[in-house]
Amino acid sequence: DIVMTQSPDSLAVSLGERATINCKSSQSVLYSSNNKNYLAWYQQKPGQPPQLLIYWASTRESGVPDRFSGSGSGTDFTLTISSLQAEDVAVYYCQQYYSTPFTFGPGTKVDIK
Amino acid sequence: EVQLVESGGGLVKPGGSLRLSCAASGFTFSSYTMNWVRQAPGKGLEWVSSITSSSTYIYDADSVKGRFTISRDNAKNSLYLQMNSLRAEDTAVYYCAREGVQGTSVYYYMDVWGKGTTVTVSS
Repeated sequence: DIVMTQSPDSLAVSLGERATINCKSSQSVLYSSNNKNYLAWYQQKPGQPPQLLIYWASTRESGVPDRFSGSGSGTDFTLTISSLQAEDVAVYYCQQYYSTPFTFGPGTKVDIK
Repeated sequence: EVQLVESGGGLVKPGGSLRLSCAASGFTFSSYTMNWVRQAPGKGLEWVSSITSSSTYIYDADSVKGRFTISRDNAKNSLYLQMNSLRAEDTAVYYCAREGVQGTSVYYYMDVWGKGTTVTVSS
């Protein structure tokens, strides 16, 4: 199984400042035949289901604000919120869909400082 | 509007059974792989099971293999999860989620999620 880890567990950022979340997979999720990283990011606000933010490691889902960006390849990935807004308070999960069992990171809680 | 609505959750005793349903609307259900993902109270997300568009392929997490069965009825735009031999550790919110790309593969992200249905296993 591919184990996903995230850091930090939580972070508090001032409004308008940058938030950076890291995700690491225990093996590469880069599929060589199509050069795609099978990595997604989800946002989950309290009492709500997860919402897809980013897929293929760096493709923003339709309707997601452009302050959210994803980067990385292979085993190391980053989700960046360039200018934190109050509505971004949530838990963020990375997920690999390279192989079953599909696995999620433990989540990173983002709060306002 | 694309929508997934789960139902069927409730309180069940250890060893009992429950059948969850997920009603899909607003898209061509028969063209998409579907998934069940669960979240224990205060915990993270755990993928449970996937079924391809024509039910050709089914994949299950080891934690539910042999106890849970995913199925679908494309004529009724519905996804199901039959849960048998339930354990306390199966207590969770169960989400139905659509694969992000039409087709027969399971190797995609999940782009549409229902609000979930709560399963509590307790004596």
